[in-house]
Amino acid sequence: QKEVEQNSGPLSVPEGAIASLNCTYSDRGSQSFFWYRQYSGKSPELIMFIYSNGDKEDGRFTAQLNKASQYVSLLIRDSQPSDSATYLCASDNAGKSTFGDGTTLTVKP
Amino acid sequence: NAGVTQTPKFQVLKTGQSMTLQCAQDMNHNSMYWYRQDPGMGLRLIYYSASEGTTDKGEVPNGYNVSRLNKREFSLRLESAAPSQTSVYFCASSERRAGSTEAFFGQGTRLTVV
Repeated sequence: QKEVEQNSGPLSVPEGAIASLNCTYSDRGSQSFFWYRQYSGKSPELIMFIYSNGDKEDGRFTAQLNKASQYVSLLIRDSQPSDSATYLCASDNAGKSTFGDGTTLTVKP
Repeated sequence: NAGVTQTPKFQVLKTGQSMTLQCAQDMNHNSMYWYRQDPGMGLRLIYYSASEGTTDKGEVPNGYNVSRLNKREFSLRLESAAPSQTSVYFCASSERRAGSTEAFFGQGTRLTVV
């Protein structure tokens, strides 16, 4: 079992819909969690960081963390075609980061 | 432009050759990282440096060495390249600031070992 598991996808949603991306982790020592967006052939870009249980909102993005269930999610509201990318979930334990394999999202106009 | 600069962008090596990937950041970040990304996969941590003068192994350190030359620079060395090291390599830096975190990646080095 990988330390960080993501739905492999691909995930396809219509423009304007809510995209929901999920991630589970196995290392209970992980303190911080990240969501990165990576366009094809490009570098990852940090879009959300969360370390407390609950929700964290930033514009159209909401990250949710449930440490008891070892679950992290990312919601993208009002999805746009420009949101089409691979989304990487990562955990961090004292500086040592572990990434999932990513979920590819396609937003159809 | 501020950010993380990696060199080179592309490299082809023969099996057994050595090379060093260079990385520099100008954001005064304490933490720096080297990752590799294979097709269709996420990033795997090779080595990281939480601060100047310290380095630690990540998930896949075998076949690599690193040097944190100063706060700005973190290099990755392949002593004897193998075809299994064909990958895209990313350098990153990060800093925890006032309840948030900023992290930036370099543009990547596409390495092919033949």
